[in-house]
Amino acid sequence: DTAVSQTPKYLVTQMGNDKSIKCEQNLGHDTMYWYKQDSKKFLKIMFSYNNKELIINETVPNRFSPKSPDKAHLNLHINSLELGDSAVYFCASSQRQGNTEAFFGQGTRLTVV
Amino acid sequence: KQEVTQIPAALSVPEGENLVLNCSFTDSAIYNLQWFRQDPGKGLTSLLLIQSSQREQTSGRLNASLDKSSGRSTLYIAASQPGDSATYLCAVGSEKLVFGKGTKLTVNP
Repeated sequence: DTAVSQTPKYLVTQMGNDKSIKCEQNLGHDTMYWYKQDSKKFLKIMFSYNNKELIINETVPNRFSPKSPDKAHLNLHINSLELGDSAVYFCASSQRQGNTEAFFGQGTRLTVV
Repeated sequence: KQEVTQIPAALSVPEGENLVLNCSFTDSAIYNLQWFRQDPGKGLTSLLLIQSSQREQTSGRLNASLDKSSGRSTLYIAASQPGDSATYLCAVGSEKLVFGKGTKLTVNP
């Protein structure tokens, strides 16, 4: 059973479209994250949610809107996609915010054409 | 602002060699440090987590150390195998993980 699962794995879309990426964790963790890995493979946090509440918003454009319907799910909606949004987006979870191990999903490779 | 640096950026070794990957960070006020492995086109696999109160952790052929005072961590891989070829990422944890850019390891048969 996959601990942190994301869908879709690949997403190719045109500029200007709106798309969503879904993430689910079955670990019973309280905290979930979205990270972005750019073309140079550098990973950087975008958002963090703790028990459905937004904790970290790392100066991400407001075209990106995370939504946490419950603490096991954290979805990422992106409006008006731009070429520069092309990247791999990783969802992660940890038992709680702070000194606990983080587990990552397999990533969603988003390509904007 | 926390910055994490990993040296070297790439490393190629023959099979069987013992090797050390280095990670340094600028702010010692951390909760933990986590080492990950990333295979091409895949997600991140957690290898070792060292809490800020710990000095080292071991798992099989892997040993990670943490020296908060100097802002350094090392990942030691014993008797390397071709299957160890991957990118190794160091991440420093507080309310979020801050990642280094990784070390791409190639172990040649």
